[in-house]
Amino acid sequence: AQKITQTQPGMFVQEKEAVTLDCTYDTSDQSYGLFWYKQPSSGEMIFLIYQGSYDEQNATEGRYSLNFQKARKSANLVISASQLGDSAMYFCAMRNSGYSTLTFGKGTMLLVSP
Amino acid sequence: DGGITQSPKYLFRKEGQNVTLSCEQNLNHDAMYWYRQDPGQGLRLIYYSQIVNDFQKGDIAEGYSVSREKKESFPLTVTSAQKNPTAFYLCASSIDLEGREQYFGPGTRLTVT
Repeated sequence: AQKITQTQPGMFVQEKEAVTLDCTYDTSDQSYGLFWYKQPSSGEMIFLIYQGSYDEQNATEGRYSLNFQKARKSANLVISASQLGDSAMYFCAMRNSGYSTLTFGKGTMLLVSP
Repeated sequence: DGGITQSPKYLFRKEGQNVTLSCEQNLNHDAMYWYRQDPGQGLRLIYYSQIVNDFQKGDIAEGYSVSREKKESFPLTVTSAQKNPTAFYLCASSIDLEGREQYFGPGTRLTVT
């Protein structure tokens, strides 16, 4: 069974600073994908970044990067130069090869202060 | 603009009534999904569909039903058999079951009293 663990219920960061949101996962599969989504207070889920288990380089998308440590089974999200608009819930998710569905963690609430 | 629409944003029902949540997409995606989100929790999969007239149960399908008569539509019915129906419901789609990214709708917040 797949499992995603996000141990930080909430994180605080000052504007313009970098922040790391933790995510660990558990799977026995060799092929899988890891995702990060952002959920603002409006409720929609916004896709941020994807990392495949066979990708050799860490994924990056603008200010978002994924610190993928396969041996540790961790896929931390790094947000550089935080902005006030980054305040939201952040969810880590995983999809195993052969399965279309996503398994989500419980999320981390990020608050960015001026 | 392409995207997923869910209506209404807020829905109130009395206990014992069935209610249907709408989900429409114009992305030409084959796969569609329904998730439930409770406060302080991540998303849990209710049902998914990979193609018209086909759908599969997710992790928490009991008390829910779906249909997929058209590619662009995947309505979810919350039946009176669902013991705790009050929740935030999110619909998503992807190009197919292997699609890397799932696109989400704005969600419907259902309150049953």
